[in-house]
Amino acid sequence: EADIYQTPRYLVIGTGKKITLECSQTMGHDKMYWYQQDPGMELHLIHYSYGVNSTEKGDLSSESTVSRIRTEHFPLTLESARPSHTSQYLCASRSGGAVNEQFFGPGTRLTVL
Amino acid sequence: DQQVKQNSPSLSVQEGRISILNCDYTNSMFDYFLWYKKYPAEGPTFLISISSIKDKNEDGRFTVFLNKSAKHLSLHIVPSQPGDSAVYFCAASANFGNEKLTFGTGTRLTIIP
Repeated sequence: EADIYQTPRYLVIGTGKKITLECSQTMGHDKMYWYQQDPGMELHLIHYSYGVNSTEKGDLSSESTVSRIRTEHFPLTLESARPSHTSQYLCASRSGGAVNEQFFGPGTRLTVL
Repeated sequence: DQQVKQNSPSLSVQEGRISILNCDYTNSMFDYFLWYKKYPAEGPTFLISISSIKDKNEDGRFTVFLNKSAKHLSLHIVPSQPGDSAVYFCAASANFGNEKLTFGTGTRLTIIP
């Protein structure tokens, strides 16, 4: 069973607030990912990391930023939340081996009022 | 430009019958394909994958078929069970799974008891 955790699960905040979505995994995976998903839509990759101190932007432009100071931790930060940031944010990880099975966390559903 | 397409947003199947979910892709560089299952308020769960060197992969009630010439894959679930009701995402990757995943928009499967 995958051990990847996201907090908070649900967050409702006002416009202009700074927020950090937490993601941690205990599997020692090098590769970690953040996806954004709106209802009925595909998962869009917004950030990824292939190891400590490595971060890259994904296919979908995002105003969020990420950091990877420790292997197990990959937080996502929004400096000033806006209603357009309302979405579900999913974190995933995988080992560096040949199998590309990504393990997903439960997600954070963010609502910005 | 959507590179992975799931043209059926929803599908209803009688319990015990076969469920067939379809997925088409346009990028000829894709050579590794995965199916994920997602329940509401949870992250996607990996189901089954297939490499382009194969045309079929089976795991219990789940079988994935790949038709490279048609750039088409399908997931067969037999027999379908009520617990299979969920959204199913098709995903694709290049370099035999070492590149980022590109997801389809998902198909909502409902199993009718």
